[in-house]
Amino acid sequence: QKEVEQDPGPLSVPEGAIVSLNCTYSNSAFQYFMWYRQYSRKGPELLMYTYSSGNKEDGRFTAQVDKSSKYISLFIRDSQPSDSATYLCAMSGITGGFKTIFGAGTRLFVKA
Amino acid sequence: GAGVSQSPSNKVTEKGKDVELRCDPISGHTALYWYRQSLGQGLEFLIYFQGNSAPDKSGLPSDRFSAERTGGSVSTLTIQRTQQEDSAVYLCASSPSGISVDTQYFGPGTRLTVL
Repeated sequence: QKEVEQDPGPLSVPEGAIVSLNCTYSNSAFQYFMWYRQYSRKGPELLMYTYSSGNKEDGRFTAQVDKSSKYISLFIRDSQPSDSATYLCAMSGITGGFKTIFGAGTRLFVKA
Repeated sequence: GAGVSQSPSNKVTEKGKDVELRCDPISGHTALYWYRQSLGQGLEFLIYFQGNSAPDKSGLPSDRFSAERTGGSVSTLTIQRTQQEDSAVYLCASSPSGISVDTQYFGPGTRLTVL
């Protein structure tokens, strides 16, 4: 079993839809949870970062962490064609030191 | 300011040849990471450099893979006797200090194809 599981998609939605992207994980030591966005032929870039459980909102994006279920989510409201990219969840913990574990990434297509 | 740069952007090689991939991190960043990204596999950690400490090579898949970082800046990932399964995008990232909460800044990657 992988430490981080993420459905690779692809996920196709119409413009304006609410998008829900999710990851599950197995290591309870993870405390830092991140979402990276990767456009085609580019490197990933950090989108949002959350520490421990709870929600964090940034514009149209909301990151949610449920440590009891080992489940994290990224919601995108009013999705735009420019949101079309691959979204990778990532997580790390103090006991893991520097090591960040990435999910496989979910490909998202937002149709105009 | 300048971000992380990698060269070449694409590399096609024949099975059995050696290849060198280069990464120029963001100036002043002490930590540097190499990852491999295969279709549907996510980012696979390869190696990590932090300042003058010995690198963590625990992610290197075989002894054909090696990396060095000269002067705490530029890094080179070398793959000897390339195999077809080495075909992937090789991503380099740097971060200011290398602690787990640091943002990693990625380069655009080198797409390696082994024929």
